[in-house]
Amino acid sequence: DGGITQSPKYLFRKEGQNVTLSCEQNLNHDAMYWYRQDPGQGLRLIYYSQIVNDFQKGDIAEGYSVSREKKESFPLTVTSAQKNPTAFYLCASENRGNTEAFFGQGTRLTVV
Amino acid sequence: AQSVTQLGSHVSVSEGALVLLRCNYSSSVPPYLFWYVQYPNQGLQLLLKYTSAATLVKGINGFEAEFKKSETSFHLTKPSAHMSDAAEYFCAVTSYSSASKIIFGSGTRLSIRP
Repeated sequence: DGGITQSPKYLFRKEGQNVTLSCEQNLNHDAMYWYRQDPGQGLRLIYYSQIVNDFQKGDIAEGYSVSREKKESFPLTVTSAQKNPTAFYLCASENRGNTEAFFGQGTRLTVV
Repeated sequence: AQSVTQLGSHVSVSEGALVLLRCNYSSSVPPYLFWYVQYPNQGLQLLLKYTSAATLVKGINGFEAEFKKSETSFHLTKPSAHMSDAAEYFCAVTSYSSASKIIFGSGTRLSIRP
């Protein structure tokens, strides 16, 4: 089945550690996105990529990094510079011609 | 530049009542508009989309939305609410442009009273 997969579903991080969230899609979509969602709040864009080997900062990129070495993959690293990383992270992809975005099931990151 | 505004962060209706979730957009080019639904601890699922065809769009679970250019609105409606409709709903806008990205509203939490 085609889709977008995020892993892990739950992730715990100690303060000062970097962690990487995985996002893989087999939909052959060009564009991929990372969003952060806090309780009772909407989606805030962290990074997005519209083509392989290119990505742009979103509204809250500080403390995060990404790579787009393959069309299928768009991993997000939460660095120790992110002061409040506990949140629900959502990855999405879309195809320019189709326009709608497809979402993964999310990763809940907790700092312990 | 594009933006979307959802009026009301929380809407509560009785089971069987009309559901109306409001969305207004701003776009300098013809927009594509979407409604998504999110259940707790899950990703977003597409309810319906407008991509410049019919202005009245029907989606899943009995929802529909009407694109009104003169009012720059894309409100989501359902004639009769069901308990299973309780969720978070997001309106989004984009356009067919290589530089465009999807912009989401802040979301509306829908509660259903028995």
